[in-house]
Amino acid sequence: NAGVTQTPKFQVLKTGQSMTLQCAQDMNHEYMSWYRQDPGMGLRLIHYSVGAGITDQGEVPNGYNVSRSTTEDFPLRLLSAAPSQTSVYFCASRSGGVNTEAFFGQGTRLTVV
Amino acid sequence: DQQVKQNSPSLSVQEGRISILNCDYTNSMFDYFLWYKKYPAEGPTFLISISSIKDKNEDGRFTVFLNKSAKHLSLHIVPSQPGDSAVYFCAASALVGGNKLVFGAGTILRVKS
Repeated sequence: NAGVTQTPKFQVLKTGQSMTLQCAQDMNHEYMSWYRQDPGMGLRLIHYSVGAGITDQGEVPNGYNVSRSTTEDFPLRLLSAAPSQTSVYFCASRSGGVNTEAFFGQGTRLTVV
Repeated sequence: DQQVKQNSPSLSVQEGRISILNCDYTNSMFDYFLWYKKYPAEGPTFLISISSIKDKNEDGRFTVFLNKSAKHLSLHIVPSQPGDSAVYFCAASALVGGNKLVFGAGTILRVKS
């Protein structure tokens, strides 16, 4: 099993550009989430999904869009990149049962110049 | 409004001694607590968890203690090893409210040999 796979690992964008961060999991997990990690801020939830076709906002959703058309994939779209979106992004998946842990991808380091 | 707080940004411990990492939370609806470990350039990996119906959970060198009345949990690592040097994140979730994982800011643990 590959677990949670994120692509790309690194990306540099110019202000105003758009891009999609890909996330795929092969564990048939219902829950998927996107977090960003910034120094001193820990992991902050951007968007999450409790199943195909269902998404909701997390703590810091502005400037990001998600969709969940399949159980396996949960892409994160940056609509118009800003320097404040420079961060490390992590995708996570979790089964829908009670008291389960989340599995994380390796992360995408994004720099917006 | 940080619901999960790790007030110590860093901790330095001698190899073989005990490491104690602390975490406080404010949301009394949290019913599941987790610790994650993160090495540089990698995604967080699950370490140990505890349900709110317990006050202690042990897994090898790692023990998590939960004090619900104080809304406090701690992770004990005994004995500490140089390979334990990493960032440790505390996380919590509540079944009511979407079962989202909320993370603290993290504590950098350095184990000196």
